[in-house]
Amino acid sequence: DAGVTQSPTHLIKTRGQQVTLRCSPKSGHDTVSWYQQALGQGPQFIFQYYEEEERQRGNFPDRFSGHQFPNYSSELNVNALLLGDSALYLCASSQSQKEYEQYFGPGTRLTVT
Amino acid sequence: GQSLEQPSEVTAVEGAIVQINCTYQTSGFYGLSWYQQHDGGAPTFLSYNALDGLEETGRFSSFLSRSDSYGYLLLQELQMKDSASYFCAPSGTYKYIFGTGTRLKVLA
Repeated sequence: DAGVTQSPTHLIKTRGQQVTLRCSPKSGHDTVSWYQQALGQGPQFIFQYYEEEERQRGNFPDRFSGHQFPNYSSELNVNALLLGDSALYLCASSQSQKEYEQYFGPGTRLTVT
Repeated sequence: GQSLEQPSEVTAVEGAIVQINCTYQTSGFYGLSWYQQHDGGAPTFLSYNALDGLEETGRFSSFLSRSDSYGYLLLQELQMKDSASYFCAPSGTYKYIFGTGTRLKVLA
């Protein structure tokens, strides 16, 4: 049973560019959440998707957007990249009935130069 | 408002017992989760408390007091592999809040 997978593993972008990160949830999971984790910090909640709708959003600007597909996979898009967007981006999936039990993917390390 | 407090670092020896405390403030509190994260790895779910009291899962136990907005993670029979960061994550109206976590160092 595959766990949560994310692609790409690493990414280097230039300020002002746009990036799309991808996530496939664990089998049987229908809810996907995205987090940003800076070095030495805990994960910061970006948003959560359920039934292809953004259900909740953290304190992130509109440059951060997402999408969930009918197969529950999800994308995170970040526009107009800033140097401060450099971080590890984590995707976590869960069952809607057990939302508190989140399974995290290995993350995508984004570096903005 | 929202706030979360955990000790930044705890050190203990192999075989010992360690308690990591967590105090929180969040709107619409549902419950308290605990996650472990090794350096370079992703967080892994350890436990969840929705009700007051102690939940035991093997060597790990987690406690919650809703009236005190307080919880703790208890790790028994510490092993070297337990060296990691531990996050409490209260869930509520604003979904999941992770603080900076507690870095546990287990010494031989």
